Amino acid sequence: SYELTQPPSVSVSPGQTARITCSADTLSKQYAYWYQQKPGQAPVLVIYKDTERPSGIPERFSGSSSGTTVTLTISGVQAEDEADYFCQSADSSANYVFGTGTKVTVL
Amino acid sequence: EVQLVESGGGLVKPGGSLRLSCTVSGFTFSSYTMHWVRQAPGKGLEWVSSISSRSGNIYYADSVKGRFTISRDNSKNSLYLQMNRLRAEDTAVYYCAKERGLWFGEFLYYFDYWGQGTLVTVSS
Repeated sequence: SYELTQPPSVSVSPGQTARITCSADTLSKQYAYWYQQKPGQAPVLVIYKDTERPSGIPERFSGSSSGTTVTLTISGVQAEDEADYFCQSADSSANYVFGTGTKVTVL
Repeated sequence: EVQLVESGGGLVKPGGSLRLSCTVSGFTFSSYTMHWVRQAPGKGLEWVSSISSRSGNIYYADSVKGRFTISRDNSKNSLYLQMNRLRAEDTAVYYCAKERGLWFGEFLYYFDYWGQGTLVTVSS
């Protein structure tokens, strides 16, 4: 198995940009997906296939990929974006892995 | 509207057993791979197990292999997780989740719908 490494926390002021990274060698060959999780709630998908945004997810959420690192960017952060964010990847051999998680705090 | 509803969680002693259920609606259950994902209190997400649409492919995380059994009943739109020889470290909220699967000719291995979770507490 492998690990997806994320920073434990990111702090940002309202209206600023938050960037959360997720790193692993396998990400150069596999897609990454991002989930937002608020306290007491189930995770919600915010980015799939590295850069695609599901319907209903605000445009301020975007994803990018470069080599072995993927990045979730929240532009113009709002108070409601305060949550935990997890990256996830998988392969056809059923190796499903979640990142370590990043707590986003809106100051 | 897609809905996944877990049940069966509760307090159990170490070494005990518990069976979780997940009943779904709003999509063709028999067409999709389904998963169990867990989250220990204050911790991150951990994939537990998956089962393909017709139960032909079943996988487990190393942490539960040999103790947990995943199954499904497509006639009842239901997913199950039989948990035996439970340990304190199995304490977590257990979510059932639907895999996106085949999408425009490409397999996408992410979870597009989740249940609300059911809490399993293993303690004496």
